[in-house]
Amino acid sequence: DADVTQTPRNRITKTGKRIMLECSQTKGHDRMYWYRQDPGLGLRLIYYSFDVKDINKGEISDGYSVSRQAQAKFSLSLESAIPNQTALYFCAAGGGNTDTQYFGPGTRLTVL
Amino acid sequence: QKEVEQNSGPLSVPEGAIASLNCTYSDRGSQSFFWYRQYSGKSPELIMSIYSNGDKEDGRFTAQLNKASQYVSLLIRDSQPSDSATYLCAVRGNNRLAFGKGNQVVVIP
Repeated sequence: DADVTQTPRNRITKTGKRIMLECSQTKGHDRMYWYRQDPGLGLRLIYYSFDVKDINKGEISDGYSVSRQAQAKFSLSLESAIPNQTALYFCAAGGGNTDTQYFGPGTRLTVL
Repeated sequence: QKEVEQNSGPLSVPEGAIASLNCTYSDRGSQSFFWYRQYSGKSPELIMSIYSNGDKEDGRFTAQLNKASQYVSLLIRDSQPSDSATYLCAVRGNNRLAFGKGNQVVVIP
């Protein structure tokens, strides 16, 4: 496993608040990803990064921003949270020719 | 056409039986294929990867890949109650993994 950790594990916040979700990995993988998961919609890619200087938008990047502070750290920010951003958020790390990805434990975010 | 499709509804299988899951994909150039298991409220866990046509076995799991027909399947032999979960098919294309919506498997003791 990539030993991916996420903080916080649960977060309740209010509409309009800024919130940051953090992700760290210890296996030195070059690629990191942020997904959200909603019932019936599956996993959807928000942002991904192939290295510290490479950030790419995924399917649903509007309302989100990211920062790759180091190879091991990739954070996701919601600048002004809204209720439809309530979801389960996963960070993943991976790489290599096959791009195998390993997931963190997830953050359950509720926006009231 | 969706990139990765898993069309079957919830699958109920008796304990000890074989569970069979199918997945089709649209990008003919895809080269890497994965099956993840996800328990309710938990993160996806990689259980199988396959890269070439044919079968790949790992314990009670067998992945099957047919690139000409653009499908990948997962067989779970001797199903156990602990196999009750949602199984996600993932296919690598366009520098990212595309995930299917998953198939729920319920193993009945």
